[in-house]
Amino acid sequence: DQQVKQNSPSLSVQEGRISILNCDYTNSMFDYFLWYKKYPAEGPTFLISISSIKDKNEDGRFTVFLNKSAKHLSLHIVPSQPGDSAVYFCAASDGGSNYKLTFGKGTLLTVNP
Amino acid sequence: ETGVTQSPTHLIKTRGQQVTLRCSSQSGHNTVSWYQQALGQGPQFIFQYYREEENGRGNFPPRFSGLQFPNYSSELNVNALELDDSALYLCASSLESGGGPDYEQYFGPGTRLTVT
Repeated sequence: DQQVKQNSPSLSVQEGRISILNCDYTNSMFDYFLWYKKYPAEGPTFLISISSIKDKNEDGRFTVFLNKSAKHLSLHIVPSQPGDSAVYFCAASDGGSNYKLTFGKGTLLTVNP
Repeated sequence: ETGVTQSPTHLIKTRGQQVTLRCSSQSGHNTVSWYQQALGQGPQFIFQYYREEENGRGNFPPRFSGLQFPNYSSELNVNALELDDSALYLCASSLESGGGPDYEQYFGPGTRLTVT
């Protein structure tokens, strides 16, 4: 049973436009959410996170929105750049004793010049 | 600041063999977590080590075991390898600062294990 779902396996966007990556979760105990970016042959790189007590967190071109009632979060990248092309993973944690991360399957973002 | 490093980068083993993967955590980090990423899937939590003891385990059988050393580096051992163990194994480090491990974990490049 997948607790974190990224229903779009891929997304293609034009350079300069907005990229919106979506993520849904089912576990209401999740209280912290993270986005990671992964290039081929590299490990996931931490991008941005949000606590469940917030509904928005912004860092430069990246903004994460959290809708707790809908159990939905999204990552907005604006403007998108070709270097943003990568697989993006949504991850969630319920804290607990080890703050383990539960990941979605990822969305491959392609930004076309 | 030194990032998370893992060795080896690639490994090919035969079914039934045993394998040891190694990880050095990011400088200043004292907690190490291991994840398995199968093809087309997201990383899946195997276990975490803190203060040289296992601190939580995912849905993996006992033939997956680990160690953490006083310098916070870690090993993942897998016995009796099966074909389904073929995956990218990721190590992630984080800092535990008294109130529990940090949510934010920093990953190494991974070890690609192929079992034939």
